[in-house]
Amino acid sequence: QQQVKQSPQSLIVQKGGISIINCAYENTAFDYFPWYQQFPGKGPALLIAIRPDVSEKKEGRFTISFNKSAKQFSLHIMDSQPGDSATYFCAASMKNHDKIIFGKGTRLHILP
Amino acid sequence: GAGVSQTPSNKVTEKGKYVELRCDPISGHTALYWYRQSLGQGPEFLIYFQGTGAADDSGLPNDRFFAVRPEGSVSTLKIQRTERGDSAVYLCASSLVHGLYEQYFGPGTRLTVT
Repeated sequence: QQQVKQSPQSLIVQKGGISIINCAYENTAFDYFPWYQQFPGKGPALLIAIRPDVSEKKEGRFTISFNKSAKQFSLHIMDSQPGDSATYFCAASMKNHDKIIFGKGTRLHILP
Repeated sequence: GAGVSQTPSNKVTEKGKYVELRCDPISGHTALYWYRQSLGQGPEFLIYFQGTGAADDSGLPNDRFFAVRPEGSVSTLKIQRTERGDSAVYLCASSLVHGLYEQYFGPGTRLTVT
């Protein structure tokens, strides 16, 4: 059973556009929701994270929106750039930074 | 400073052979994690160490997999009698203190079992 479901599998966005990736979870014991960015040949790197007591968190061009009642959260990348082209993973853990449960990933491609 | 390093970066082995994968965590990090990432999938948790002891090995798929961290720093993931299904990228991560700080990932070891 997949604990964190992510969509879409792949996404193509024009430069300057908004990229949106969605995730859903079932386990209400999760209390930490990070997003990771992974480039080919590299390990995942933490991009931004949120806790369920906050509905939105923004860091630069990256925003997480969190809907606790719907058990859904999403990543918005504003003014998307070709350098943002990577695979993005949503994730969850039960205690801050405990073992991380990853979604299957979204391959994002930003057209120049 | 230096990040998490993993060696080798690539390993090709024959079915049935034994392999060891090494992880050097960030200096001073007490927690160390192993994940496995199959093609097109997200990483899956295998085991984590707090200091020298394996605090949670619930993700190890079977008894062919074993990991050690004898001095609380470098860790080795050991796989016996490798199978083709073991082919994946094995990622190591470290954290200053488990449960309190971000996990930093290494570049991984790509294991191919032929």
